[in-house]
Amino acid sequence: TQLLEQSPQFLSIQEGENLTVYCNSSSVFSSLQWYRQEPGEGPVLLVTVVTGGEVKKLKRLTFQFGDARKDSSLHITAAQPGDTGLYLCAGDFYNTDKLIFGTGTRLQVFP
Amino acid sequence: DTGVSQNPRHKITKRGQNVTFRCDPISEHNRLYWYRQTLGQGPEFLTYFQNEAQLEKSRLLSDRFSAERPKGSFSTLEIQRTEQGDSAMYLCASSLSTGEMFFGSGTQLSVL
Repeated sequence: TQLLEQSPQFLSIQEGENLTVYCNSSSVFSSLQWYRQEPGEGPVLLVTVVTGGEVKKLKRLTFQFGDARKDSSLHITAAQPGDTGLYLCAGDFYNTDKLIFGTGTRLQVFP
Repeated sequence: DTGVSQNPRHKITKRGQNVTFRCDPISEHNRLYWYRQTLGQGPEFLTYFQNEAQLEKSRLLSDRFSAERPKGSFSTLEIQRTEQGDSAMYLCASSLSTGEMFFGSGTQLSVL
């Protein structure tokens, strides 16, 4: 059972557009991570957010952790075809050692 | 050492056959995880090891699934009497106790 819901499930946009992907849960996470996965490969970590309200920027990507530590967002500015892939949020509960992954957002950026 | 290695990359088998996958983690990583991912979904946790000890198993891991990490290094995941519903990408990841999780490229299983 997936405890992290992502939206939208699919996103198809033109190069240069901005987009936001959301990750929501009813549970509080001690930390939350965002991954990007390409076909036939494993997920690759983009960022980890730990503090409620935290905002991290990675070039054109901006990540935010909700104040209540139950939700997060990923904003991409001026998307490029190289941003195409499956974006996954993943959280870990307190007192556990495993990551729970979200349902994923498949992004396609057309030139 | 170039990362987490999984073999084989692809496996096609007939229903009812047994299959075994291997994962070689990053050396010195004491934690090793197995996840399963179906098309269009996020990875689902199966089990994980701290050194050679299997510390947690998901309810998704039926009696037909068994995982081992005999010497705290590489790990194997065996599926007995495969079913079509077992078709998925099986991902392995490793980490230090409090560190980033690194994933392998996965083994894509197709059960005919």
